[in-house]
Amino acid sequence: DAKTTQPPSMDCAEGRAANLPCNHSTISGNEYVYWYRQIHSQGPQYIIHGLKNNETNEMASLIITEDRKSSTLILPHATLRDTAVYYCIVREGWRGANNLFFGTGTRLTVIP
Amino acid sequence: DTEVTQTPKHLVMGMTNKKSLKCEQHMGHRAMYWYKQKAKKPPELMFVYSYEKLSINESVPSRFSPECPNSSLLNLHLHALQPEDSALYLCASSQETANTGELFFGEGSRLTVL
Repeated sequence: DAKTTQPPSMDCAEGRAANLPCNHSTISGNEYVYWYRQIHSQGPQYIIHGLKNNETNEMASLIITEDRKSSTLILPHATLRDTAVYYCIVREGWRGANNLFFGTGTRLTVIP
Repeated sequence: DTEVTQTPKHLVMGMTNKKSLKCEQHMGHRAMYWYKQKAKKPPELMFVYSYEKLSINESVPSRFSPECPNSSLLNLHLHALQPEDSALYLCASSQETANTGELFFGEGSRLTVL
């Protein structure tokens, strides 16, 4: 699976959009980009995933560059409950069981 | 029911004890996982079960012994652990045939080895 690079930490003002970048310059054609988050003392939570098109769901939007070497997770109106570690993961879409390998992630702090 | 339930939430054990962590899901998922997470580190994959068969063992020491008695249950048997094995142990499940990469995680069992 391709390696990802994320900033170790970011701050965001409450109510503003949080834009979390991820670099995956060695991504291959059949690898998807997944985002998970882990709120303190809880298990990781799936947010969104995509292959090449931008994706949106009730939690967030995922913007993938045309060359697929980087992506941005957007939380449109950050709240204090969005304070968490956000993990960007790249893996092949189908490899039997969906085992995921987590990188170091970005610790997002939403400030009142 | 979209929950993965792990018990116990906290466990303290000595190095000579034998204990077990339990995980249960009722979402009909046929893949289940154990992850280990040390403080301020990302989760590390330990084991993957697919259709009740062990499909991945990420070179985990034999003092950790997984068991999948049926499609809803996953156990992790612990014996002769070391203090450095103290960590949060996370269980997860997914639809084995789904191409979404979406794993559902429990809240974890926090293990302390004295």
